[in-house]
Amino acid sequence: KQEVTQIPAALSVPEGENLVLNCSFTDSAIYNLQWFRQDPGKGLTSLLLIQSSQREQTSGRLNASLDKSSGRSTLYIAASQPGDSATYLCAVTTSGGSYIPTFGRGTSLIVHP
Amino acid sequence: GAVVSQHPSRVICKSGTSVKIECRSLDFQATTMFWYRQFPKQSLMLMATSNEGSKATYEQGVEKDKFLINHASLTLSTLTVTSAHPEDSSFYICSARDGRGGLSGELFFGEGSRLTVL
Repeated sequence: KQEVTQIPAALSVPEGENLVLNCSFTDSAIYNLQWFRQDPGKGLTSLLLIQSSQREQTSGRLNASLDKSSGRSTLYIAASQPGDSATYLCAVTTSGGSYIPTFGRGTSLIVHP
Repeated sequence: GAVVSQHPSRVICKSGTSVKIECRSLDFQATTMFWYRQFPKQSLMLMATSNEGSKATYEQGVEKDKFLINHASLTLSTLTVTSAHPEDSSFYICSARDGRGGLSGELFFGEGSRLTVL
């Protein structure tokens, strides 16, 4: 059974810092990995999708990498802003028939001015 | 990105009544939809997986007779909470997988529905 762990659980940083959020998974036979952000009381917004054949994806100040062999993904946020404050979740879709995404518990990020 | 519309965003109902929540993919066909429940400050709890034209697959511990899921078309899935009780009060979120990506298609989420049962 796939298990997804996100470290750290919470992070508070001053504006302008570059950040790295970590996501690890136990079963490397994945189809894809997706990063989301969730604002309080809202649904999830898709940030980046990395297919199993890819090593990284970039969108603006965000860069996500994938290393299947070590079971890790990182989300890099450059020049953080207060508007980046949210909970960031990673979801891993594993092969094996169900194609059901497994979510980590998220990293709660606060960027203060 | 693609849009998933979830309605209503907030609903308050009396104990014993039924509530229906709709989830629509607006600009893509969703071969699979997922329904989640989220408790305060916790991650998502998968309730069921819904494939168009077939019965939903429920996770262990989720009562299928209480949480009725219908996936009538490639763009619409509904969750009906039957005979709602205060303990059903929660945040319910749907997700749709973009069929253009096949089984590894991107997931898109609705904005969630806050259910309060009095």
